Amino acid sequence: DGGITQSPKYLFRKEGQNVTLSCEQNLNHDAMYWYRQDPGQGLRLIYYSQIVNDFQKGDIAEGYSVSREKKESFPLTVTSAQKNPTAFYLCASRDRENTGELFFGEGSRLTVL
Amino acid sequence: AQSVTQLDSQVPVFEEAPVELRCNYSSSVSVYLFWYVQYPNQGLQLLLKYLSGSTLVKGINGFEAEFNKSQTSFHLRKPSVHISDTAEYFCVFPLSGGGADGLTFGKGTHLIIQP
Repeated sequence: DGGITQSPKYLFRKEGQNVTLSCEQNLNHDAMYWYRQDPGQGLRLIYYSQIVNDFQKGDIAEGYSVSREKKESFPLTVTSAQKNPTAFYLCASRDRENTGELFFGEGSRLTVL
Repeated sequence: AQSVTQLDSQVPVFEEAPVELRCNYSSSVSVYLFWYVQYPNQGLQLLLKYLSGSTLVKGINGFEAEFNKSQTSFHLRKPSVHISDTAEYFCVFPLSGGGADGLTFGKGTHLIIQP
């Protein structure tokens, strides 16, 4: 079945450590996105990529980094520069060629101890 | 510029009662509109979408929405809710080929079903 896989589902980190969240899709979509979600808030865009080897900052990119070396993969690194990294992170890909529909992963919950 | 407004951050409803979650948009171009649902600690999944054609759109889990161009609305409805409908609902406005990421999310409406 086609879809998006995020891992890990839960992650704990000590302050000062970098962590990388994985996002893989087998939907053959060019566009991929990372969102951050905090309790009671909507989704805020961190980074997005519309094609391999290219990506753009979203609204809250500070303290995060991404890469897009393969069409299927769009990992997100939460660096030690991110002041408040505890949140729920969602990865999505988009069918831009047809309906523009977004397909989401199950999310990764990061907790900084 | 395009925007999406979800008018209620929280909607409490008794089980088996009808519900309407409101969404208004503003745009000067052709419109697609989506509703997504998010259950606790999960990703978002598509409930329904309006692309063109009939303005009444039926989705999964008994939900439906009506696209109203004159009122710039896309309200989500269900005639009888169940406890399992407790979730966060997002109205999303994609603009294929649009600038930046071409996506506008509403802030979400938390549907609370009371027994």
